[in-house]
Amino acid sequence: DAKTTQPTSMDCAEGRAANLPCNHSTISGNEYVYWYRQIHSQGPQYIIHGLKNNETNEMASLIITEDRKSSTLILPHATLRDTAVYYCIVRVGRGGSEKLVFGKGTKLTVNP
Amino acid sequence: SQTIHQWPATLVQPVGSPLSLECTVEGTSNPNLYWYRQAAGRGLQLLFYSVGIGQISSEVPQNLSASRPQDRQFILSSKKLLLSDSGFYLCAWGVGDAKPQHFGDGTRLSIL
Repeated sequence: DAKTTQPTSMDCAEGRAANLPCNHSTISGNEYVYWYRQIHSQGPQYIIHGLKNNETNEMASLIITEDRKSSTLILPHATLRDTAVYYCIVRVGRGGSEKLVFGKGTKLTVNP
Repeated sequence: SQTIHQWPATLVQPVGSPLSLECTVEGTSNPNLYWYRQAAGRGLQLLFYSVGIGQISSEVPQNLSASRPQDRQFILSSKKLLLSDSGFYLCAWGVGDAKPQHFGDGTRLSIL
């Protein structure tokens, strides 16, 4: 079972920031939080990951609370092409067995 | 840069027929390789992973098998397909802890 909880769906206006929350209250000290997104009929696309500190890359920012029990993915200027299902994942396992346990994710719809 | 290739993109097979899906990775050595399946309306489920040539670990009991004949080649097979084998099959590669897994474009398998 997935170790994360996300809202089922969210809407965002084009050009505005999209803030996608995720709860992972049972996360262990050495487990990373990963975010992927999946556009219909394609493989999941890696977005960003983090352990304790906030992270930023060309796609998004990841804000992790100090207690690490929740995080927020921020798409600073959402476009129509950002419409997808976004998965928040806690990485389980080590040494090759680090499987990604995907939940149902958040379906983000960016509206014009 | 690293790339991952899966084929075919779509496949329609009758019940009881054999299956062979192939995945190859370029631009990296000794990757960890993964096969996931996504049933309609559900999250991804890890089926197999491999940390080296000839080393296969199975995550769930099933009608499928996997092989890794070469460092960057991962094959998913079945001798006799079942209706329940329908789904979206995804291959992924990674290089270990704290590094993201990257997915191919997937094979959509329909069993008739």
